[in-house]
Amino acid sequence: EAGVTQFPSHSVIEKGQTVTLRCDPISGHDNLYWYRRVMGKEIKFLLHFVKESKQDESGMPNNRFLAERTGGTYSTLKVQPAELEDSGVYFCASSMSLAGGYTFGSGTRLTVV
Amino acid sequence: AQSVTQLDSHVSVSEGTPVLLRCNYSSSYSPSLFWYVQHPNKGLQLLLKYTSAATLVKGINGFEAEFKKSETSFHLTKPSAHMSDAAEYFCVVSDATGANNLFFGTGTRLTVIP
Repeated sequence: EAGVTQFPSHSVIEKGQTVTLRCDPISGHDNLYWYRRVMGKEIKFLLHFVKESKQDESGMPNNRFLAERTGGTYSTLKVQPAELEDSGVYFCASSMSLAGGYTFGSGTRLTVV
Repeated sequence: AQSVTQLDSHVSVSEGTPVLLRCNYSSSYSPSLFWYVQHPNKGLQLLLKYTSAATLVKGINGFEAEFKKSETSFHLTKPSAHMSDAAEYFCVVSDATGANNLFFGTGTRLTVIP
């Protein structure tokens, strides 16, 4: 079984540019989550999809962040325009059910310069 | 509200000696508790989880954790450290009410000295 795949693994962009992160969950997992770890801080929840619907987006920091999950398969997280404080590692996770365990991807390290 | 405190940001042990990574939690409800590990350039891997069954939870790679409600603790232990255990460890809480997002501690980096 393929795991959760995230790409790119690293991205370096300039302040003001746009970046799109992608997450491919495990096939059949309806639940998809995005988390973020900024430098020196704890990993924090951003949002949760159930299939293509946003179940909870209470962790999204501001309207520069837009997450989508077209057709309930892969998800993208767009940051536009990127700011310096957006630098960090963005993790995606998926699970089959709410009671099930999460499987995390390797993360995308975003650096905004 | 849910939160987790990992009491040590960095722990160093010698190979073959016991490992203790400390975690205290706060939860308004009966919590589910987890330990995740992240090796360099890898994803977060689930070590073990507690979900109101046995208070002593055994995980992978010889790790175990004990849920102590009276102390609001969920410390991670291993009898004998191996070099491959060097990684960052995260204590995580999720409440059982249906809000299924996870609350992470700040992580403990474990160094194993040969």
